[in-house]
Amino acid sequence: GQQVMQIPQYQHVQEGEDFTTYCNSSTTLSNIQWYKQRPGGHPVFLIQLVKSGEVKKQKRLTFQFGEAKKNSSLHITATQTTDVGTYFCAGCNQAGTALIFGKGTTLSVSS
Amino acid sequence: GAVVSQHPSRVICKSGTSVKIECRSLDFQATTMFWYRQFPKQSLMLMATSNEGSKATYEQGVEKDKFLINHASLTLSTLTVTSAHPEDSSFYICSARRTAGELFFGEGSRLTVL
Repeated sequence: GQQVMQIPQYQHVQEGEDFTTYCNSSTTLSNIQWYKQRPGGHPVFLIQLVKSGEVKKQKRLTFQFGEAKKNSSLHITATQTTDVGTYFCAGCNQAGTALIFGKGTTLSVSS
Repeated sequence: GAVVSQHPSRVICKSGTSVKIECRSLDFQATTMFWYRQFPKQSLMLMATSNEGSKATYEQGVEKDKFLINHASLTLSTLTVTSAHPEDSSFYICSARRTAGELFFGEGSRLTVL
């Protein structure tokens, strides 16, 4: 079945450093979504990418969708302590019937 | 943004009892809701897709008779963990999808079975 792999599993950075998490799917996706889950909280939708090669920015966050629509990345510039949490990618299959989550990347930031 | 309410947020029960968790979309109609299970520090595992007015579609390895899902209306889906055992202890999260595609998650229900 469809698998979504995400690396790294954990990342610790100093405040101000950049951070990137990568997501790879075993199959071509119709779209990919990114969520953030704070410790003790529930996942919150960040963004959805649909087009091949798409790049979207939200302030310090940059999201990319690969040309083959099988991989994606989330890059945070100049991390802040408020960026702490687990970032999940979720790939939607071609039929649009299933959203499969990656294992997440847990980001910790020290000031 | 859209709001999805999940209740109860925490429940502790004895082994052998059944527990019902409700998931409501408060400001939009959700023809499809999803139930996920999340173990500590792990990802969300899709358990089943709940469709209004029809039977839920379960993921491989999820016992239908163990995790009963009912989607009686466009705003309510319920998950019942039947005859719960300690290994069923987990964080259960529902989500609902609007037409735009993104999921809106409930706040989750932490089940502890003694």
